[in-house]
Amino acid sequence: DTAVSQTPKYLVTQMGNDKSIKCEQNLGHDTMYWYKQDSKKFLKIMFSYNNKELIINETVPNRFSPKSPDKAHLNLHINSLELGDSAVYFCASSPRTSGTGFSYEQYFGPGTRLTVT
Amino acid sequence: AQKVTQAQTEISVVEKEDVTLDCVYETRDTTYYLFWYKQPPSGELVFLIRRNSFDEQNEISGRYSWNFQKSTSSFNFTITASQVVDSAVYFCALTPTGTASKLTFGTGTRLQVTL
Repeated sequence: DTAVSQTPKYLVTQMGNDKSIKCEQNLGHDTMYWYKQDSKKFLKIMFSYNNKELIINETVPNRFSPKSPDKAHLNLHINSLELGDSAVYFCASSPRTSGTGFSYEQYFGPGTRLTVT
Repeated sequence: AQKVTQAQTEISVVEKEDVTLDCVYETRDTTYYLFWYKQPPSGELVFLIRRNSFDEQNEISGRYSWNFQKSTSSFNFTITASQVVDSAVYFCALTPTGTASKLTFGTGTRLQVTL
């Protein structure tokens, strides 16, 4: 059973295009995230949504816009793609964001490798 | 601000050797969680372990063990009798507790296990 899924797995596009990556989790988690992993394998958080509400918004160009239609889905739309956007984008989810007794671990999707030419 | 340092960029061992991956962290938060994730060549990120800052008890799971020492801000990961399937990039990560789980990752240690 797929826990966190992302589509597409690979995305090759040209500079200036607009593209979207979709993420879905069937774990019943409240919180979802987007991370970017660059060519040196460095992972950095971009956004987080809790029950459709944006709670983390790191220093990310406003060409990147997340959207959460419901708590099981978090999509990432990227406008005017640039060469530097080439990376692997990971979606993740976690059970809760606050309160004692929660785990805080995040479960990651398989990643979407975006290549901008 | 939080920081996670994995000073070992790459480690190569021969199968059946024991290997320890180091992780040192910095945080001003009094409560936090530490994690280890594995990223095999296939690319997915696999959750391995979570440790609460209140719990310094070491943990063993099969060939894996973790040593958390708050006094030295370290959370090291040991693989006993390494196997080729352990070859991967391993990430240590940290998040404060509170209203949002926000993982700060180290730069990863690439482990290569050869026959």
